[in-house]
Amino acid sequence: QQQVKQSPQSLIVQKGGISIINCAYENTAFDYFPWYQQFPGKGPALLIAIRPDVSEKKEGRFTISFNKSAKQFSLHIMDSQPGDSATYFCAASMNNQGGKLIFGQGTELSVKP
Amino acid sequence: EPEVTQTPSHQVTQMGQEVILRCVPISNHLYFYWYRQILGQKVEFLVSFYNNEISEKSEIFDDQFSVERPDGSNFTLKIRSTKLEDSAMYFCASTKRGQINSPLHFGNGTRLTVT
Repeated sequence: QQQVKQSPQSLIVQKGGISIINCAYENTAFDYFPWYQQFPGKGPALLIAIRPDVSEKKEGRFTISFNKSAKQFSLHIMDSQPGDSATYFCAASMNNQGGKLIFGQGTELSVKP
Repeated sequence: EPEVTQTPSHQVTQMGQEVILRCVPISNHLYFYWYRQILGQKVEFLVSFYNNEISEKSEIFDDQFSVERPDGSNFTLKIRSTKLEDSAMYFCASTKRGQINSPLHFGNGTRLTVT
């Protein structure tokens, strides 16, 4: 019940295309859903996050869509660029467990020029 | 921009040896964490630390593991007797507040190889 399931495991997108990564969770106590971006040799870095009281959050080319009833959320990267090539992790946490994040398995995104 | 720094970047040790992984969190942060990432797998929570004590630990964080904040700047993870399955990337993270929307800042990790 503590798991966050992420798909796909890997994704290849052409430059300018839309990258979509999906996550699903079971535990309805989760109430914070961040996405992290990780480049090789680096630690994960917060990209964008959402609370379940909104269905969508947009920051630049990155959008989170959140479906509370389906317990699913997704990351959309518009106009994908080669510099977006990285591993993306969705995560979830509960209000009383601050920095304890439950991560998804990760998606390795490759954006081809 | 302030960073979480970790040393060493790569540590090789023999099975059964003790290792200490070091982290310097961002200076005004109060909450500290260790996470682990086995090669090709997801990032997993190990332990959280606040006010000089462990606030939460995962099942992975057994008696072989300990954490310490020996002074005002360092935060360490000790593995007493390493096993082959401890080989992983270990990430230190810190945040200013313990609330869920207080961003976690991760270091670049220490790759631990146990032979």
